[in-house]
Amino acid sequence: SQQGEEDPQALSIQEGENATMNCSYKTSINNLQWYRQNSGRGLVHLILIRSNEREKHSGRLRVTLDTSKKSSSLLITASRAADTASYFCALNRDDKIIFGKGTRLHILP
Amino acid sequence: DSGVTQTPKHLITATGQRVTLRCSPRSGDLSVYWYQQSLDQGLQFLIHYYNGEERAKGNILERFSAQQFPDLHSELNLSSLELGDSALYFCASSVARAWNTGELFFGEGSRLTVL
Repeated sequence: SQQGEEDPQALSIQEGENATMNCSYKTSINNLQWYRQNSGRGLVHLILIRSNEREKHSGRLRVTLDTSKKSSSLLITASRAADTASYFCALNRDDKIIFGKGTRLHILP
Repeated sequence: DSGVTQTPKHLITATGQRVTLRCSPRSGDLSVYWYQQSLDQGLQFLIHYYNGEERAKGNILERFSAQQFPDLHSELNLSSLELGDSALYFCASSVARAWNTGELFFGEGSRLTVL
């Protein structure tokens, strides 16, 4: 399969806690991206990490990439109600960008 | 606002019919990607065009076709529609090809309902 597989499929946490979601894949990649989708809306790009990078930060987001294990993780710190959404990893390979099925994150008040 | 425009936003049609979905990419973006999102299949990559040329195909049915015009807008044609084609169809654009940067800007989608 060319797509990434996110884990867990769904996650519910209390507001203020950290949320971690993972993406595993099987093929070689040029880079890996994470996107957020609010219900029924277009996806929004969060962060891109290249295959020669190990970690990137953007605000409350931290992404890691381990190409030897073919896995990536997205950490959202100090979660907020507005973080409730689906999160997708996307694999860039050649001329394709393939999305996984996503992790549904629900932030509880 | 991502700068990517998709029309129509909603479309209801009958089985066997044909529809055309239109996408205008962000100004200056040369790449256009099409995706199908249904509840049980996640986001499926259909096709990628770069500067008018088809670059990659995914799980696109033979009943579906696409093209990118000289002004860089793209159309996705769906024919002989079946109930299972009901889905949200997204267009996304990027300034470059996937191997270079690949950050995608998504439109708000066209929701197709086949009755």
